[in-house]
Amino acid sequence: DTAVSQTPKYLVTQMGNDKSIKCEQNLGHDTMYWYKQDSKKFLKIMFSYNNKELIINETVPNRFSPKSPDKAHLNLHINSLELGDSAVYFCASSLWGEGPNSYEQYFGPGTRLTVT
Amino acid sequence: AQKITQTQPGMFVQEKEAVTLDCTYDTSDPSYGLFWYKQPSSGEMIFLIYQGSYDQQNATEGRYSLNFQKARKSANLVISASQLGDSAMYFCAMREPQTGANNLFFGTGTRLTVIP
Repeated sequence: DTAVSQTPKYLVTQMGNDKSIKCEQNLGHDTMYWYKQDSKKFLKIMFSYNNKELIINETVPNRFSPKSPDKAHLNLHINSLELGDSAVYFCASSLWGEGPNSYEQYFGPGTRLTVT
Repeated sequence: AQKITQTQPGMFVQEKEAVTLDCTYDTSDPSYGLFWYKQPSSGEMIFLIYQGSYDQQNATEGRYSLNFQKARKSANLVISASQLGDSAMYFCAMREPQTGANNLFFGTGTRLTVIP
């Protein structure tokens, strides 16, 4: 069984379009994340979300918005796509850790977004 | 300031030998977690090992061990008995609870190549 799944795996679209990437986890985790990996392989957090709050990385343009219909899903909507949005987007999930408790994040397979 | 620094863009190791991948971190939070992930050419992110800041012993998981030197703020990954399948990108990451989130901050990665 796939733990964290993302669809689509590849997404090619034109500038100005609006697109969504879906993410689902079946691990019973309460926290989900979106990361962006650029062409130099650098991974950067975009959002984290649990049933209490959404935490947004302040560098993320407001064209990006996460939508969570339930605890098992965190979809990523992107409006008015730009060339610089081309990257691999990873969804991840984990249990929420407090204080010294940290839990590993399980990543989806990634979605390669290409904006032309 | 960079929270996680990986100074080795690329490393080579002979099959069956051990290799150390360097990672240093920067935080003022006394309670943090350190993670290593592997990203093979297929693109998925695979969790390898975790070290908590309060852990007294170095973490080990099979052929992976983490050389945690708290005073030096380093968390190097040691892979023993390298195998061809270990060829991949390796990312060091840190979680800082004081940021109010479980987000991971990643280093720039080290590309490991295992030579037969």
